[in-house]
Amino acid sequence: KAGVTQTPRYLIKTRGQQVTLSCSPISGHRSVSWYQQTPGQGLQFLFEYFSETQRNKGNFPGRFSGRQFSNSRSEMNVSTLELGDSALYLCASSTGQGANYGYTFGSGTRLTVV
Amino acid sequence: AQSVTQLGSHVSVSEGALVLLRCNYSSSVPPYLFWYVQYPNQGLQLLLKYTSAATLVKGINGFEAEFKKSETSFHLTKPSAHMSDAAEYFCAVVNNNDMRFGAGTRLTVKP
Repeated sequence: KAGVTQTPRYLIKTRGQQVTLSCSPISGHRSVSWYQQTPGQGLQFLFEYFSETQRNKGNFPGRFSGRQFSNSRSEMNVSTLELGDSALYLCASSTGQGANYGYTFGSGTRLTVV
Repeated sequence: AQSVTQLGSHVSVSEGALVLLRCNYSSSVPPYLFWYVQYPNQGLQLLLKYTSAATLVKGINGFEAEFKKSETSFHLTKPSAHMSDAAEYFCAVVNNNDMRFGAGTRLTVKP
């Protein structure tokens, strides 16, 4: 059974640009969540999608957005990149019950903003 | 809102020694609790989870954790550390599908 797949693994962008990250969950998992990981702030919750609907949202500015497709694949987008957006972005999937039963994480996309 | 505190950002043990990583939580309702491990340049891997079935939870790689409601703790232990256990460990609490992580504890294992 394939795990959670995130693409790309590494990305370098310039301040002011936008970026789109992709996540393919484990087959049969309908919930996808996104986290930002930085040395200073640790793991911070961005948002969760279930059946193409945003079910939960963290405390991030509107520059951070996401969506989920009918096949449960998810994308997150960051517009007008800032240096502080440099981070490891982790995607996690779970069954319909969501976080209560635990997440399976992907290997992440490391975004560097220069 | 729920939160997690991991005591000690760095823990160093000798190979073969006991591993004890501390986690305390706050939650207004009975929580779901998790321990994850992260190796360099990788995502998080689930070690074990507490979902109210049993207070002593056994996980992968010889780790276990005990839920103590009176102490609001969920400490992670392993009787004998191995070099391959060197990694960062995260405790997490979930209420109503909202998973919050602790700041993490970096475990170093000395030969």
